[in-house]
Amino acid sequence: SYVLTQPPSVSVAPGQTATITCGGTNIGGNSVHWYQQTPGQAPVLVVYDNIDRPSGIPERFSGSNSGNTAALSISRVEAGDEADYYCHVWDSSGDHSVFGGGTKLTVL
Amino acid sequence: QVQLQESGPGLVKPSGTLSLTCAVSGGSISRGNWWNWVRQPPGKGLEWIGEIYGEIDHSERVHYNPSLRSRVTISVDRSKNQFSLKVISMTAADTAVYYCARGYSSSSLDYWGQGTLVTVSS
Repeated sequence: SYVLTQPPSVSVAPGQTATITCGGTNIGGNSVHWYQQTPGQAPVLVVYDNIDRPSGIPERFSGSNSGNTAALSISRVEAGDEADYYCHVWDSSGDHSVFGGGTKLTVL
Repeated sequence: QVQLQESGPGLVKPSGTLSLTCAVSGGSISRGNWWNWVRQPPGKGLEWIGEIYGEIDHSERVHYNPSLRSRVTISVDRSKNQFSLKVISMTAADTAVYYCARGYSSSSLDYWGQGTLVTVSS
């Protein structure tokens, strides 16, 4: 089964850029999606198809994907960005979806 | 604006069966999206359970998480604009918040229900 690896935690100072990685074998050949989840709330889609943003998501959120690593970048980080972030792909070889283990973003 | 709402029991006995329903409003379930179930054990990450295709097709199209396939059934009721999840042989490891969600581009999930906590306990 396809495995997505995320760092458990990332810390960043306000105003800086946070980068959260998602590793997987040849993940660059997949469409990667990213979700933000705050405590007690349902996940919110912030990036889909590697680089696209749903309406209402700030341009500060951006994605990239190449080789064995996808990444979510959040520029000009704010206190309100503190949350858990999950990457997600469709594993076409197995016909099922896979989530990464999640990364807790802490704003210092 | 599409909205999803889960409903079902909050407590299931060990070895029992869980049945949840997700009511879809603000759009037709038959329009060609995939409709998903995702769960999250307390304090842990997201786990995809499975999905079903909403549009009427020659045969029901469903995909399941391989680790849950033997215990899970997802179905759709187009007349009620809702879809359902059934999990048999429940154990404490199945205690989780269960979410329903709509599939969007390349299986991304753009609309989610608020989630419902299901506890497995005697």
